[in-house]
Amino acid sequence: LAKTTQPISMDSYEGQEVNITCSHNNIATNDYITWYQQFPSQGPRFIIQGYKTKVTNEVASLFIPADRKSSTLSLPRVSLSDTAVYYCRTTEGSTLGRLYFGRGTQLTVWP
Amino acid sequence: KAGVTQTPRYLIKTRGQQVTLSCSPISGHRSVSWYQQTPGQGLQFLFEYFSETQRNKGNFPGRFSGRQFSNSRSEMNVSTLELGDSALYLCASSSGLGGAGETQYFGPGTRLLVL
Repeated sequence: LAKTTQPISMDSYEGQEVNITCSHNNIATNDYITWYQQFPSQGPRFIIQGYKTKVTNEVASLFIPADRKSSTLSLPRVSLSDTAVYYCRTTEGSTLGRLYFGRGTQLTVWP
Repeated sequence: KAGVTQTPRYLIKTRGQQVTLSCSPISGHRSVSWYQQTPGQGLQFLFEYFSETQRNKGNFPGRFSGRQFSNSRSEMNVSTLELGDSALYLCASSSGLGGAGETQYFGPGTRLLVL
């Protein structure tokens, strides 16, 4: 059973800010939310991880509301090379340690 | 520091055969997880090993098995291959106890094609 829900696809243009939201209604108290980026025929690459509120690094920001039932990955000023599939990940409910990925969001950046 | 390596990168097998895939985690990492990725099902968790013990297992049939060695290297085996086993098999390692708070680092994957 899927535990996270993301949009299947999104389109954007170079230079725009992109926000991808993931729903995780059954997130457990001690779970973190992690986002990955994947290019074709490559393994997923870690982007950012957070537990609550806001986390920022050199490539993205992650916003997590107080109820933690969703999270939003924000990519500032995207470029063509940001075209990839983005996965939201959390742990499945009470099954400690089981690691699931959402179905992923295909982001396409146009010139 | 070398990343996660997987061998072989590509593999072609026929139905009924078995296959063994290998994964070498990042040096110092003790947790290794395996995933199957297909266009229709996305990334699905197979199992996780920590200190040579299988700690978690996904919803896959018993034809899928794995093991981890004392140097943390891991292998997964698929017996009696079916056409539906064609997929990209990904290995990921992490430094500590695993779980959602850990940062997993993925290898490039092994592309398996079953004919």
